[in-house]
Amino acid sequence: DQQVKQNSPSLSVQEGRISILNCDYTNSMFDYFLWYKKYPAEGPTFLISISSIKDKNEDGRFTVFLNKSAKHLSLHIVPSQPGDSAVYFCAARTNTGNQFYFGTGTSLTVIP
Amino acid sequence: GAVVSQHPSWVICKSGTSVKIECRSLDFQATTMFWYRQFPKQSLMLMATSNEGSKATYEQGVEKDKFLINHASLTLSTLTVTSAHPEDSSFYICSARFPAVTDTQYFGPGTRLTVL
Repeated sequence: DQQVKQNSPSLSVQEGRISILNCDYTNSMFDYFLWYKKYPAEGPTFLISISSIKDKNEDGRFTVFLNKSAKHLSLHIVPSQPGDSAVYFCAARTNTGNQFYFGTGTSLTVIP
Repeated sequence: GAVVSQHPSWVICKSGTSVKIECRSLDFQATTMFWYRQFPKQSLMLMATSNEGSKATYEQGVEKDKFLINHASLTLSTLTVTSAHPEDSSFYICSARFPAVTDTQYFGPGTRLTVL
């Protein structure tokens, strides 16, 4: 049962434009969310996180938005750079759980 | 940021042999480490949660006698794939929970296992 879903397997964006990656979840008990970036044959790298008490968290070019009522979060990258080309995973966790549930990933390609 | 290493990064073994993969947290102590497996074009699949000083907790469908996990210290967890078969070929990734404010998992670089 996929509790965290990324419905877009791939996304292409022109350099300098905004990249928006989406993630939906089904478990209303999730209260902590993260985004990871992954290059082929490497481990995921932590990008940004957000707690359920917030609806927005910003770190440089990366902003994560959380809509709890819609059980939806998104990652905005602006401006997009070719080096941002990678697979992006969202992950979620409950406040009592140890386990992070990962989405299936979205492959982002930033075109120079 | 926190650094997690894995060794080896790539291993090829014959069917029937065992392979040990090490996961180390280099600059922090991790009471909890996680082992994931990733198939091509698929998400990370949690195999087990490794707790220092106690038995690992395996996810449903993961054979604990085949994938032996030992978390002997606060900085080291090992995954041993016993009697490996070609279907065990995969990309194995560990992560360590960083119990600070961010409460984030930091991932190792992964180990590519190929079983001939």
